[in-house]
Amino acid sequence: GAGVSQSPRYKVAKRGRDVALRCDSISGHVTLYWYRQTLGQGSEVLTYSQSDAQRDKSGRPSGRFSAERPERSVSTLKIQRTEQGDSAVYLCASSLAVGTSSYTQYFGPGTRLTVL
Amino acid sequence: ILNVEQSPQSLHVQEGDSTNFTCSFPSSNFYALHWYRWETAKSPEALFVMTLNGDEKKKGRISATLNTKEGYSYLYIKGSQPEDSATYLCAFSDYKLSFGAGTTVTVRA
Repeated sequence: GAGVSQSPRYKVAKRGRDVALRCDSISGHVTLYWYRQTLGQGSEVLTYSQSDAQRDKSGRPSGRFSAERPERSVSTLKIQRTEQGDSAVYLCASSLAVGTSSYTQYFGPGTRLTVL
Repeated sequence: ILNVEQSPQSLHVQEGDSTNFTCSFPSSNFYALHWYRWETAKSPEALFVMTLNGDEKKKGRISATLNTKEGYSYLYIKGSQPEDSATYLCAFSDYKLSFGAGTTVTVRA
């Protein structure tokens, strides 16, 4: 069946501009996550949402990151006023379970964002 | 922020040789450890989810062990093949995954 897809796959943005990244998760999956992977470093979770309730748990103190979930299997990650440090691969993942750590998360191929 | 460390950061292996690498994670409040394989331009692919101390999992030529008391996991690749070339990520999970930086394996023919 269809896996998790993300678009665009590559995005170049000028510093200070807003960007929106899309994720189409697996139908029936409940929880949806956004991660950021920086070259040579680990990843950090940006937001996650469970079921239909958008629970945006932004880990970024500046609050420039937010996610919307207009449909159960669609999420849009919005980054406001991009900074060069935002250059990274943004991964979307979905999971069947709610709040269960041992369930596999299924990942999209990522969006590589470059901020100039 | 959970500290998940992987070593080495990269390694080169001759085809046919076996190799292994490490993931270390906080040993307190352990929930689960995940291993993913990430090839360039593809989605990270789940290899194993491990929850019990002493767990050993195997998938083809790849296997993993788990020690939750001391906070480490090993991933082994037996008889490496060029198609094993990828970045192998481990992740410690509670409700979210906290990833290490990965070990990038390059298998030379």
